Amino acid sequence: QQPVQSPQAVILREGEDAVINCSSSKALYSVHWYRQKHGEAPVFLMILLKGGEQKGHDKISASFNEKKQQSSLYLTASQLSYSGTYFCGPHGSARQLTFGSGTQLTVLP
Amino acid sequence: DAGVIQSPRHEVTEMGQEVTLRCKPISGHDYLFWYRQTMMRGLELLIYFNNNVPIDDSGMPEDRFSAKMPNASFSTLKIQPSEPRDSAVYFCASGRGRGQFFGPGTRLTVL
Repeated sequence: QQPVQSPQAVILREGEDAVINCSSSKALYSVHWYRQKHGEAPVFLMILLKGGEQKGHDKISASFNEKKQQSSLYLTASQLSYSGTYFCGPHGSARQLTFGSGTQLTVLP
Repeated sequence: DAGVIQSPRHEVTEMGQEVTLRCKPISGHDYLFWYRQTMMRGLELLIYFNNNVPIDDSGMPEDRFSAKMPNASFSTLKIQPSEPRDSAVYFCASGRGRGQFFGPGTRLTVL
């Protein structure tokens, strides 16, 4: 079952912050986050392995609440290069990921 | 290091023809995944291998689709016969259990 991402789309000005949420109806062991630019392949950003753990990638960080089966991606002081579609990939008991429908992020100058 | 390599990058074929997509994973990665991406259905996992062995092919849409991984450095996804609804971007990804690294994809158009 596909995880639910929100919002579906967000438009920001350069320097603004954004939060993307991901929730699953299944128990999670980890969560992956990816970014895909138009016409390109998804790029791995980070993986969160433990409940409550936060990881960072430049000014992009994420949290993982194992009990709530939720993860959030935080983009701080967004840059033009952050534009793209962000996918969460919750990792359940099976080894494969089930990707969310994506959140389209547009950063304007 | 070279990333995941896929070929061809673009494929245009006619309905009923056989299509073979190829993938070379990153050396040392023991997981290989095949995905399909369309506007309507998003990014779907078709099949994945661990140490060259198919683990889960439940995402393969029909018997027309088959995938093989004869060795650690090569995998193929075959569609026979192809249909217009198979038109999509097909990605191959590899990993070692801590993130997946995607190839550039093959854009398949079936006329």
